[in-house]
Amino acid sequence: DAGVTQSPTHLIKTRGQQVTLRCSPKSGHDTVSWYQQALGQGPQFIFQYYEEEERQRGNFPDRFSGHQFPNYSSELNVNALLLGDSALYLCASSLDGGSSYEQYFGPGTRLTVT
Amino acid sequence: LAKTTQPISMDSYEGQEVNITCSHNNIATNDYITWYQQFPSQGPRFIIQGYKTKVTNEVASLFIPADRKSSTLSLPRVSLSDTAVYYCLVGDPPMDTGRRALTFGSGTRLQVQP
Repeated sequence: DAGVTQSPTHLIKTRGQQVTLRCSPKSGHDTVSWYQQALGQGPQFIFQYYEEEERQRGNFPDRFSGHQFPNYSSELNVNALLLGDSALYLCASSLDGGSSYEQYFGPGTRLTVT
Repeated sequence: LAKTTQPISMDSYEGQEVNITCSHNNIATNDYITWYQQFPSQGPRFIIQGYKTKVTNEVASLFIPADRKSSTLSLPRVSLSDTAVYYCLVGDPPMDTGRRALTFGSGTRLQVQP
């Protein structure tokens, strides 16, 4: 049983460019959340998708957008990249459990903006 | 948004019990409080979650007082492999928009010595 997978592993972009990160959830999971983790910091919640809709969102600008497909996989898009967007981007999947936050995380995508 | 506070670091020796406390104000009233472990270059790994009082599983215990303004993760008889960063995760109360976010603590770096 494959766990959460993310692609690509590493990515280098230039300021102003756009990037798309991809995530496949753990088998049987229907909810995908995205987090940004800067070096030495805790993960920061970006948003969560369930039934192809954005259900929850953290304090991130509209440059950060996402999508969930019918097979529950998800994409994170970031437009107009800034140097400060350099971070590890984590995807986590879970079963829709209302008040439960038991999530399974992927290994992350390391994004470097130059 | 919820506010969380964790000690930055803790040191312990193999075989000792370690207790890590997270203080969390203004959290969602009906959500679980969840703890994760993270090793370098990996995504966080779920440890345990609870709502009130005490929860125990095969790796840890979680103590949550009645006011739910803090939670304490207890690791019995730690080993060298428990050296990692530990995070609490809580749900934020609903915003005016009805949307909600999740907040990770800043993390506690646990170093276990032989």
